[in-house]
Amino acid sequence: AQSVTQLGSHVSVSEGALVLLRCNYSSSVPPYLFWYVQYPNQGLQLLLKYTSAATLVKGINGFEAEFKKSETSFHLTKPSAHMSDAAEYFCAVIPSGGSYIPTFGRGTSLIVHP
Amino acid sequence: NAGVTQTPKFRVLKTGQSMTLLCAQDMNHEYMYWYRQDPGMGLRLIHYSVGEGTTAKGEVPDGYNVSRLKKQNFLLGLESAAPSQTSVYFCASSSQAGGPPGELFFGEGSRLTVL
Repeated sequence: AQSVTQLGSHVSVSEGALVLLRCNYSSSVPPYLFWYVQYPNQGLQLLLKYTSAATLVKGINGFEAEFKKSETSFHLTKPSAHMSDAAEYFCAVIPSGGSYIPTFGRGTSLIVHP
Repeated sequence: NAGVTQTPKFRVLKTGQSMTLLCAQDMNHEYMYWYRQDPGMGLRLIHYSVGEGTTAKGEVPDGYNVSRLKKQNFLLGLESAAPSQTSVYFCASSSQAGGPPGELFFGEGSRLTVL
């Protein structure tokens, strides 16, 4: 079964610092990969997705993620954190060649200090 | 454009009571999903539907039932609520019209407390 692991339930950064949120998947065949963001008391919304085109994917709000097949990773980065980036971030995978049902990671809470 | 709408947004139940959560989407999506979100557990899939009249079990289906009588609506029912079902429930929908999987569009959530 497909699984996705997000390392670190909480990540704390200073405003202006680099943001790095980690996501690893378990699959011998590269899946489709997504990052979603959840602001307090809201539903999830899509940040970006990888669907086997370019390995470096740019999303909204200055975030980007790089698909690395050799490391089975899809880490999310942003060069400079802003206070408004404080939220919960979820990585999700959909296996290629079949079901369109996503599996979500447990989430990483991003805390941004002034 | 409303997107995905969930009702009610908040509900408090006593153990053993029943209730139904309603999800409505106006994007003509084929796929609809019900997830529950608990602290430290991420989102876990309860049931999903790939089209009108079809439903399937997800990761944590026990204690829940669903129906998709109309394409735009997906109902989640609790026949006999238990405290373990205290959670935030999210409905989502997506269009899978061939090609790479599409993104999920989420409702704002329904917070359920079972006493």
